[in-house]
Amino acid sequence: QSVLTQPPSVSGAPGQRVTISCTGSSSNIGAGYDVRWYQHLPGTAPKLLIYGNSNRPSGVPDRFSGSKSGSSASLAISGLQAEDEADYYCQSYDNRDSSLSVFYVFGTGTKVTVL
Amino acid sequence: QMQLVESGGGVVQPGRSLRLSCAASSFTFSSFGMHWVRQAPGKGLEWVGVISNDGSYEYYAASVKGRFTISRDNSKDLLYLQMNGLRAEDTAVYYCAKGDNHFWTASGYLDLWGRGTLVTVSS
Repeated sequence: QSVLTQPPSVSGAPGQRVTISCTGSSSNIGAGYDVRWYQHLPGTAPKLLIYGNSNRPSGVPDRFSGSKSGSSASLAISGLQAEDEADYYCQSYDNRDSSLSVFYVFGTGTKVTVL
Repeated sequence: QMQLVESGGGVVQPGRSLRLSCAASSFTFSSFGMHWVRQAPGKGLEWVGVISNDGSYEYYAASVKGRFTISRDNSKDLLYLQMNGLRAEDTAVYYCAKGDNHFWTASGYLDLWGRGTLVTVSS
């Protein structure tokens, strides 16, 4: 089902910077559709981190930043903290199925481990 | 504090039905489109469907279209997911989520989620 590809895992020491990639195609990110990012600790409610490729909702630390280029997007976490250990998902819209008017797609997910 | 709380999950046999509920609080429920998203064990997130703020329109993922129905009761701030003809592959944690606008847009995002409720389809 996932049409957005992310690395299964990334890791870093406290204080370091890590980046998570999200690779799509010409029917989603490459078509110009916005990318969003969510943080999910298993057993809790997922949380919106980034919308509109690079915008942070109120309350999200500026350690989190998003960018997009071509058919890919990235989430960067700087000054890594223990509380950042979680699963991260990108999300976009995909227009490949003409029978659907709405087709939100998520990435495969990336587990961030703080060493 | 804005909150969404899902309920109604459980173990159900293949082919049977189940209805999930999602209780909203501390925001104007009737102003926003609402979504369901699921996560199968060990898998990523999968968008299930969306309903407009007034309940007039719904859209579904191809994997559930014709079997699942989303509805809402704005007088009670409740969202529902009626699941019929359940299959083993429907086993997942189901999350309700608030959209950022009255229905959906290609740039729309989900800015409030619940903690989810587990549905297990097994004989």
